This record gives sequence, C-alpha cells and structure tokens, in this order.
Amino acid sequence: DIQMTQSPSTLSASVGDRVTITCRASQSISSWLAWYQQKPGKAPKLLIYKASSLESGVPSRFSGSGSGTEFTLTISSLQPDDFATYYCQQYNSYLWTFGQGTKVEIK
Amino acid sequence: EVQLVESGGGLVQPGRSLRLSCAASGFTFDDYAMHWVRQAPGKGLEWVSGISWNSGSIGYADSVKGRFTISRDNAKNSLYLQMNSLRAEDTALYYCAKDVDTAMVGYFDYWGQGTLVTVSS
Repeated sequence: DIQMTQSPSTLSASVGDRVTITCRASQSISSWLAWYQQKPGKAPKLLIYKASSLESGVPSRFSGSGSGTEFTLTISSLQPDDFATYYCQQYNSYLWTFGQGTKVEIK
Repeated sequence: EVQLVESGGGLVQPGRSLRLSCAASGFTFDDYAMHWVRQAPGKGLEWVSGISWNSGSIGYADSVKGRFTISRDNAKNSLYLQMNSLRAEDTALYYCAKDVDTAMVGYFDYWGQGTLVTVSS
C-alpha cells in the first residue's frame, strides 16, 4: 500500500497568514492526489484534485502543487472559515489511502 | 442538489452483522462509482470499499476483505454495505461517498453525513 504522511500534524496560525501543509507519498503517485477539508462533526469536502486542480466553488485562496512524492496545499490568506483539519489522499493505485490529517488551529 | 443519506448504523456485539444503506439523490446514480469511507472516533479517514457504476468492478480494503460486501441497486438509487463478523476496530462513522466517474477513479466529490457503527459487548 502507498503510505501518505502529512506535516505538520497541527498548525497554529492567525487570520491572514499564509499556510502550507505538506503531504509525502511512500512512492510516486504522479499527480493523482486530492485534498479535503473537514470541520468538526461534518463530512469531508473536496478542495483540490489532480494535485493542483481547484474543485468548483472552492475559494481561490486554496491552491495545490507537487508531483511524484511531494505535494503541498497552500492557503494564501487564512480566513476564519478555514480552521479545520485537512487530509491528502492518493488515488494513483487501488487501495486508496489518506494522510493522517493536519489540524489548522487559531493562534 | 446532490444528497447522500446513510442509515443502518447502531450498536452491535462483536461477531454480529449489520447492513448499511446510502440513499442517493440529485444526480444520475448509475453514472457514477460509489464508495464507503470510515472514520474511527477522533481518527483519520480510511477507504473501506468501492463499486463501479454497473457493479462490474469492486474493491475492498485489506482490513475488511472477506467480511464486508458492497452492493448497489441502481433502480433504487441506493448503495449498501453488508458487514459481517464485526470487530471492535470496525467502530467508526461510515460515510457514503460519490466518485467522479463511472469507474472507480478513487477520489470523492460528495459525501454523506455518515452513520455511526459501534461494535461493543
């Protein structure tokens, strides 16, 4: 199975900050990576697919980059609605796997 | 509006069975593969099982293979998960999730709100 490792596990930031979350795959997954946002008590929401494609309706302050084994999710200017947990997920190969999550907290 | 509504969760003893259902609306159900993804309390997300539009392709996580069976009824716009030989480690919130294509591409653009399964004696 492909292992996905996110860093950091927790991130403290203020409104307006630029935030970057990293996701590393245990082997190359080309660009077959998605990012999700999950708020407490809610279902995950798709933000990014194919590493850098923004899902319809998602604010442009969210962006994704990377290929192969290293990927990043960037929030250009953190908004109050963005405090949540973020997950990466590879869909390069069957037995799709998620990262362990990165919680973005208010500083 | 796409809606996915799960049901069938509850408290069950180890070794017993449970059947989850997911009622879909707001899209052409038989145009898309579907999946179950679970989340143990306070933990991350784990893909459990997926099924292509016509049930021709089915997959399971190693942790549930041989115990869980996914199925769908396109006439009823419904997805199911039959869970047998349940274990304490199956305790989780089970989400129904929509794939982006007829085949299992493997990422999910819509999710239900989940149904909680608790396995305990």
